[in-house]
Amino acid sequence: EVVLTQSPGTLSLSLGERATLSCRASRSVTSSYLAWYQQRRGQAPRILIYGTSNRAAGIPDRFSGSGSGTDFNLTVTRLEPEDFAVYYCQHYGPSPGFIFGPGTKVDI
Amino acid sequence: EVQLVESGGDLIQPGGSLRLSCEVSDFSVGRYYMNWVRQAPGKGLEWVSFIYSTFSTAYSDSVKGRFTISIDSSKITLFLQMNSLRAEDTAVYYCARRESSNYYYYMDVWGKGTTVTVSS
Repeated sequence: EVVLTQSPGTLSLSLGERATLSCRASRSVTSSYLAWYQQRRGQAPRILIYGTSNRAAGIPDRFSGSGSGTDFNLTVTRLEPEDFAVYYCQHYGPSPGFIFGPGTKVDI
Repeated sequence: EVQLVESGGDLIQPGGSLRLSCEVSDFSVGRYYMNWVRQAPGKGLEWVSFIYSTFSTAYSDSVKGRFTISIDSSKITLFLQMNSLRAEDTAVYYCARRESSNYYYYMDVWGKGTTVTVSS
């Protein structure tokens, strides 16, 4: 089974700064199965990035994803107030079902 | 507009049963892999189950044998029958649709969630 580890657990930044979030898999994973979600306080998760680097519909271009193999990143350039949230990486499989990382909180 | 609306969450005693519903708008649940994902208080996301077109289902090890996922014949409602509930099942339960390409695997539409509390 694949285990996803996210770092750091909390990222304390200021408005306008750049955030780089890491997701590491316990073994090499399929890039098209790697996604990132944002969850604001009290809200449901929403898809940001799918297939490692593809922005979902309506997601601003300050969000970008990269990586391959076991190491993946989500980068947010120029943090806006609404970007302070928890971010989860996700993979599918190998056994049926989705696996989530523990999340990174982006805090002011 | 594509929408998912969950209902059925409640306070229930350990060992009890509960059925969650997820009503969808603007698409048929029979055409997509439909999922339940839960989030315990203050914790991260945990995938629970999926169903595809009534005949293909899967469950996480933590709920296998206790939970049953299904869809109704009208193809607008997804269910999660939860039996033998435990305190650790306490969570917000989200209904989520998996994107349909069979190349990218992610959940593109989520409901707002329904809260299940298992406590005596």
